[in-house]
Amino acid sequence: EVKLEQSGAEVKKPGESLQISCKVSGYRFSGYWIGWVRQLPEKGLEWMGIIFPSDSDTRYSPSFQGLVTLSADKATNTAYLQWTRLEASDTAIYYCGRLDYHDVGYFVDYWGQGTQVTVSS
Amino acid sequence: IVMTQSPATLYVSPGERATLSCRASQSVSSNVAWYQHKPGQAPRLLIYGASTRVTGIPARFSGSGFGTEFTLTISSLQSEDFALYYCQHYNNWPQTFGQGTRVAIK
Repeated sequence: EVKLEQSGAEVKKPGESLQISCKVSGYRFSGYWIGWVRQLPEKGLEWMGIIFPSDSDTRYSPSFQGLVTLSADKATNTAYLQWTRLEASDTAIYYCGRLDYHDVGYFVDYWGQGTQVTVSS
Repeated sequence: IVMTQSPATLYVSPGERATLSCRASQSVSSNVAWYQHKPGQAPRLLIYGASTRVTGIPARFSGSGFGTEFTLTISSLQSEDFALYYCQHYNNWPQTFGQGTRVAIK
């Protein structure tokens, strides 16, 4: 059974750093891209970026380039999303997802349960 | 590529048909997926390739379209279908979601 287990909710202060995780099981971690999606409060879904764990090839959406870092650890089958300096505007739910390939691109066929990140002074 | 969904909210009675629209700002061929999202839950993939239903998704969900115009149809709404629905193109990077259509009880 494919599972993506995300780390728990976080409450941080502006300026702090944070890393959240997405541990997968039930499939070959290195064989599929992992994507990260943001949901702002009362807003829709936004692609942040994707990473291929096999070689850590990474692509960022323009809105998130330079603001976050994606990484993956093949030894632990875990993907990570990292901020070096959080802002209040980063308050959101963050989802990881396994990407399946079709034709020329990728969609999420399995999702993590989401991680709530709250940034407040 | 901007994906525009309409309407923002669709009010439908149980048992009725719901038709959700998604328009791409340029052609994305048939590279569109649809997701259902309920509060407090992870999104769920319903359709990919514009019209291919995912295994386990009820047959009342169907997708159609090509190029810039896409439709998700729920033929006879059940209580569990009241939710948010997103389209997403994956024709190139960055892939983008529409802003969502909420299907609400009439």
